[in-house]
Amino acid sequence: EVQLVESGGGLVQPGGSLRLSCAVSGFTVSSRFMTWVRQAPGKGLEWVSVISNGGTTFYADSVKGRFTISRDNSENTLYLQMNSLRADDTALYYCAREGVGSFYFDCWGQGTLVTVSS
Amino acid sequence: QVVLTQSPSASASLGASVKLTCTLSSGHSSYAIAWHQKQPEKGPRFLLKLNSDGSHIKGDGIPDRFSGSSSGTERYLSISSLQSEDEADYYCQTWGTGIRVFGGGTKLTVL
Repeated sequence: EVQLVESGGGLVQPGGSLRLSCAVSGFTVSSRFMTWVRQAPGKGLEWVSVISNGGTTFYADSVKGRFTISRDNSENTLYLQMNSLRADDTALYYCAREGVGSFYFDCWGQGTLVTVSS
Repeated sequence: QVVLTQSPSASASLGASVKLTCTLSSGHSSYAIAWHQKQPEKGPRFLLKLNSDGSHIKGDGIPDRFSGSSSGTERYLSISSLQSEDEADYYCQTWGTGIRVFGGGTKLTVL
């Protein structure tokens, strides 16, 4: 069974850092494009970042230069390192797997909450 | 860059049918999209991937009540025999080189 389980969220002060994890089971994280999506309170879904199966990374303009997506193949885990956090980064963060040969999200995690506040 | 537009809200009665619309920006009529369902307190759920010719593939376990269709720059999600658990936010999603895009979402109320 395919499962994605996020962790690492919490309360952090503005300017601080946090690393989110997405533990994957049922497939190998390096075999698929993997993405992070977030949802701020009362807002819609917002794409954050993607890593290709070859390791190429892309970011939304809102997080470029502050967030880094990576993966650990031995741990079968996806990560999102978030630095210089701002209040508007407060959101539920979801990891998702992308489809084979196409870039839609075919499997989602349950999310982890990040709150940036002093 | 491609933009997706959705109506903010829709409503329909229990047992009835509803058709939600996602509109691609001009010049992007060949784009495929995906539809996702977001219920409160749950992670999003992939419903179906919809091509420009109307062909689609569904996610695992998605009931036959959910279907997709296309016309020009419009992509539709149809839900028949509405149930109370269908009350949710519905998002369309597409992609380009190095980018993924969501529509603003449609909040579906089941009356």
